[in-house]
Amino acid sequence: GNSVTQMEGPVTLSEEAFLTINCTYTATGYPSLFWYVQYPGEGLQLLLKATKADDKGSNKGFEATYRKETTSFHLEKGSVQVSDSAVYFCALSGYNFNKFYFGSGTKLNVKP
Amino acid sequence: DTGVSQNPRHKITKRGQNVTFRCDPISEHNRLYWYRQTLGQGPEFLTYFQNEAQLEKSRLLSDRFSAERPKGSFSTLEIQRTEQGDSAMYLCASSLLRTGSSGNTIYFGEGSWLTVV
Repeated sequence: GNSVTQMEGPVTLSEEAFLTINCTYTATGYPSLFWYVQYPGEGLQLLLKATKADDKGSNKGFEATYRKETTSFHLEKGSVQVSDSAVYFCALSGYNFNKFYFGSGTKLNVKP
Repeated sequence: DTGVSQNPRHKITKRGQNVTFRCDPISEHNRLYWYRQTLGQGPEFLTYFQNEAQLEKSRLLSDRFSAERPKGSFSTLEIQRTEQGDSAMYLCASSLLRTGSSGNTIYFGEGSWLTVV
């Protein structure tokens, strides 16, 4: 079956620190992979995506590379800001995109 | 493009009452999804529509839950005889599935919070 596993949070960092949030997946076939971000009281917003192995998704300084050999899609940012404080969800979609599977989320707190 | 719109944003109801949520997807999106999210968890799939056809329902969707998408536009999610365990955020999302494309992306609304007291 399909599933996503994320590192547990919360992750607390100081401003300008380097961020890594780990995500691994189990899937049949060749899924597409996504990172979504959720701010308090809001819905999920797409942060970045990758559709095939070795693709790198990037947006707003965040990056993630689709690693088929390690079934991973880790999220990274070189220098976090206070405004990056949110919950981050890793997700995958199946072959015909009829369903998206989400991890349990990782809360990021960035201190000034 | 006004995004996915959901209402009401918040609903408090007494146990046993019925509630209905509405979702207006991004115009021309042919797929519409309902998810449920509880505190500290990721969204869980409930059901999805392609145009007006409901193509899949999760086992989470008991027979107290019903969803419709008449005419393939907006959708409603009704919960009958609510229970305290139904308290959650109900998220709607939509997407445009193009034949032969890859990387389909779903866009979420801001969610409808349900509290059953």
